[in-house]
Amino acid sequence: EIVLTQSPATLSLSPGERATLSCRASQSVSSYLAWYQQKPGQAPRLLIYDASNRATGIPARFSGSGSGTDFTLTISSLEPEDFAVYYCQQRSNWPSWTFGQGTKVEIK
Amino acid sequence: EVQLVESGGGLVQPGGSLRLSCAASGFTVSSNYMSWVRQAPGKGLEWVSVIYSGGSTYYADSVKGRFTISRHNSKNTLYLQMNSLRAEDTAVYYCARGEPKNPWYFDYWGQGTLVTVSS
Repeated sequence: EIVLTQSPATLSLSPGERATLSCRASQSVSSYLAWYQQKPGQAPRLLIYDASNRATGIPARFSGSGSGTDFTLTISSLEPEDFAVYYCQQRSNWPSWTFGQGTKVEIK
Repeated sequence: EVQLVESGGGLVQPGGSLRLSCAASGFTVSSNYMSWVRQAPGKGLEWVSVIYSGGSTYYADSVKGRFTISRHNSKNTLYLQMNSLRAEDTAVYYCARGEPKNPWYFDYWGQGTLVTVSS
């Protein structure tokens, strides 16, 4: 099983600041990685797929990068609605897809 | 508009069974990859099972042999039959659609249904 480790566990930032979230895979997943956002009491929302492609309707302030084992989700300037938990997910190890444990972005 | 509505969750004793349903609208279940993903209280996401458009099914090791995914094409509904339930199966269960061009990622999710396994 491919293990995804996200860091940090919690990121405390102010609106307008830049957020950088990390996801590290226990073995290479090529570019087969997605990012999701989840707000309390809601289902996850797909943000980024294949490491760097924004899903439909996702604002340009969200960007993804990386390949192999190291990936980054960047939110260029945090909006109030961006404070949430973010998960990465790999689809390389078919069909045993796994998620990271999540990074909470909270208001400082 | 794409919508997924789960139902069937509840409280069940260890060793018991439960069947979850996911009614879809705005698209055809049988033409897409459909998955179940669960989230234990206060925890992260765990992929549980998938049914491909062609009908092949796959399961996480944690549920293999106990859970069965299926669909009813005319009802446009996805199911998860859960048997031999354990305390560690307690979670919110989401159904999710595989994004049509990249079906290994989940572009639409239901609101979730809570399954509690406890005596």
